[in-house]
Amino acid sequence: QSALTQPRSVSGSPGQSVTISCTGTSSDVGGYNYVSWYQQHPGKAPKLMIYDVNKRPSGVPDRFSGSKSGNTASLTISGLQAEDEADYYCCSYAGSYTVFGGGTKLTVL
Amino acid sequence: QLQLQESGPGLVKPSETLSLTCTISGGSISSSSYYWGWIRQPPGKGLEWIGSIYYSGSTYYNPSLKSRVTISVDTSKNQFSLKLSSVTAADTAVYYCASQGVEWELRTWGQGTLVTVSS
Repeated sequence: QSALTQPRSVSGSPGQSVTISCTGTSSDVGGYNYVSWYQQHPGKAPKLMIYDVNKRPSGVPDRFSGSKSGNTASLTISGLQAEDEADYYCCSYAGSYTVFGGGTKLTVL
Repeated sequence: QLQLQESGPGLVKPSETLSLTCTISGGSISSSSYYWGWIRQPPGKGLEWIGSIYYSGSTYYNPSLKSRVTISVDTSKNQFSLKLSSVTAADTAVYYCASQGVEWELRTWGQGTLVTVSS
């Protein structure tokens, strides 16, 4: 049950778009459409941003979108804003348990 | 609005058992819409799912922690609890409780509580 693989960091300027990848295996990301994404600001609890690969909970801006192809899921943030600077974690169902990615630090330049 | 709050000792000695409780407000632990989960985050590191429980008592555990973890539910108190045995310094972390939807998404999180394992 290895962690999902995410880039350690990504960056972008305000107004730009960034994409964070999350690579797993056919036993987790590739095998189920139960991929979720979480945003975590320093010292705060994580917040659900995307679930079921591409669904947004109420209140999450439509600038946040998710997708999946094979064993890799992606989170795209368009129209970057300063408040988007945070850590982002992907998460996937893996058959009666859940596995997280290692996290990606997003820097808004 | 659903809210969750962790409570328990902030310091545990090595080899002892870590015990935490999560109290639910604004909703019922007996809701068929949720499982109830525990997640931890070592200082400066990433998130690790520990396990979850349904109000009926069905449990699901991280295979890497399964031998040391017990999650239980107390419907009369609207609480669920975590016990992690034989702790070491590697178990030092912020522990979060959360509501887990049927698609395994972690919807509502508690604020987290830091547990330090040290003698």
